Amino acid sequence: GQNIDQPTEMTATEGAIVQINCTYQTSGFNGLFWYQQHAGEAPTFLSYNVLDGLEEKGRFSSFLSRSKGYSYLLLKELQMKDSASYLCAVLDSNYQLIWGAGTKLIIKP
Amino acid sequence: GAVVSQHPSRVICKSGTSVKIECRSLDFQATTMFWYRQFPKQSLMLMATSNEGSKATYEQGVEKDKFLINHASLTLSTLTVTSAHPEDSSFYICSARGRETEQFFGPGTRLTVL
Repeated sequence: GQNIDQPTEMTATEGAIVQINCTYQTSGFNGLFWYQQHAGEAPTFLSYNVLDGLEEKGRFSSFLSRSKGYSYLLLKELQMKDSASYLCAVLDSNYQLIWGAGTKLIIKP
Repeated sequence: GAVVSQHPSRVICKSGTSVKIECRSLDFQATTMFWYRQFPKQSLMLMATSNEGSKATYEQGVEKDKFLINHASLTLSTLTVTSAHPEDSSFYICSARGRETEQFFGPGTRLTVL
């Protein structure tokens, strides 16, 4: 079966760095997405990785290792507004998104 | 990024009524649109995938006669919840995909069935 695993909840301090991990087992792989979702709102796109390595975009970076079925989202200089759920999703061989359950990130002052 | 709109953003209806939700891609042509449902504190659950001009493909466990999907054009898909019941209360989100692999999400519709 297809499976995406990510921690349920994480807590970090304002100004710090946090890494949210995602491991996956899917039928085929056509890329991995990270989305941010605030409570009561739809997800917003953060990053897309299809090749191994690190993609940096401002305070957010995303890493992918296809051989390990592993990705992480790195958030630097955390701000209170970063408190949200972070969803990992993999595009499988049918170009269908397989979603993780999301990681709720709590930022404390 | 591309913009996807959803209407209405919030709807409250009586049990037994039907509710139609519209999803529009505003600045691109969406060859594929997706409908998701999300219950509180849970992840997105794909309900169905629709391609313009063809019948929607429903996920296992989703009743196609209850959740009617029409993808009439490259910019519009509609989801009709027929004979809605309280257990259908949820956050319904559409997304649209053009020629690239990224999906763009609409803002969501919160349905409350009394």
